[in-house]
Amino acid sequence: DAKTTQPPSMDCAEGRAANLPCNHSTISGNEYVYWYRQIHSQGPQYIIHGLKNNETNEMASLIITEDRKSSTLILPHATLRDTAVYYCIVRFMDSNYQLIWGAGTKLIIKP
Amino acid sequence: DAGVTQSPTHLIKTRGQQVTLRCSPKSGHDTVSWYQQALGQGPQFIFQYYEEEERQRGNFPDRFSGHQFPNYSSELNVNALLLGDSALYLCASSLKEDRFRPPSPLHFGNGTRLTVT
Repeated sequence: DAKTTQPPSMDCAEGRAANLPCNHSTISGNEYVYWYRQIHSQGPQYIIHGLKNNETNEMASLIITEDRKSSTLILPHATLRDTAVYYCIVRFMDSNYQLIWGAGTKLIIKP
Repeated sequence: DAGVTQSPTHLIKTRGQQVTLRCSPKSGHDTVSWYQQALGQGPQFIFQYYEEEERQRGNFPDRFSGHQFPNYSSELNVNALLLGDSALYLCASSLKEDRFRPPSPLHFGNGTRLTVT
């Protein structure tokens, strides 16, 4: 079973901020939260990751709650090209490639 | 800087046949992982190779095997194909994990679409 829970789908208007939630209530202290997205017919693309603190890069911001049981990925100014399936994954700090992927959130950006 | 490349992009095989998929990792990466993605689902981990050895394996039968070459490229072999093996097969490369730094993000290729008839 996936260790994260995400809504199956969301809509967002073009130019607005898209906020994608993720629940990871069983996360342990040494597990990172990673976000990937998969545009149709392509492989998943890394977006951002974090452990405790909020993170920002050129693609997105990641807000992690203080108890670390949930997080939100923010795309500040969504464009049509951001339409994709977004995956939230927890990952151990040491060697563990057995990532468990859920079905993700299908984000549709509408003009 | 070439990213992860996979070949072929599409493949059609018949039940019982064997198939080999190929992957070249991103430049500078030494670890390759393979995933199977059924339609509408997230990727499922098959196995991971580092230093030419299988290091971890997911819940897949022995019909799924792999290999990593000295140049870090990798192959995924599937024997005795079943209809249920129809899926997108993804290769991901990364740096060998170090417990003193965050896990290296995976870089994925665009996959090989395998159809078994």
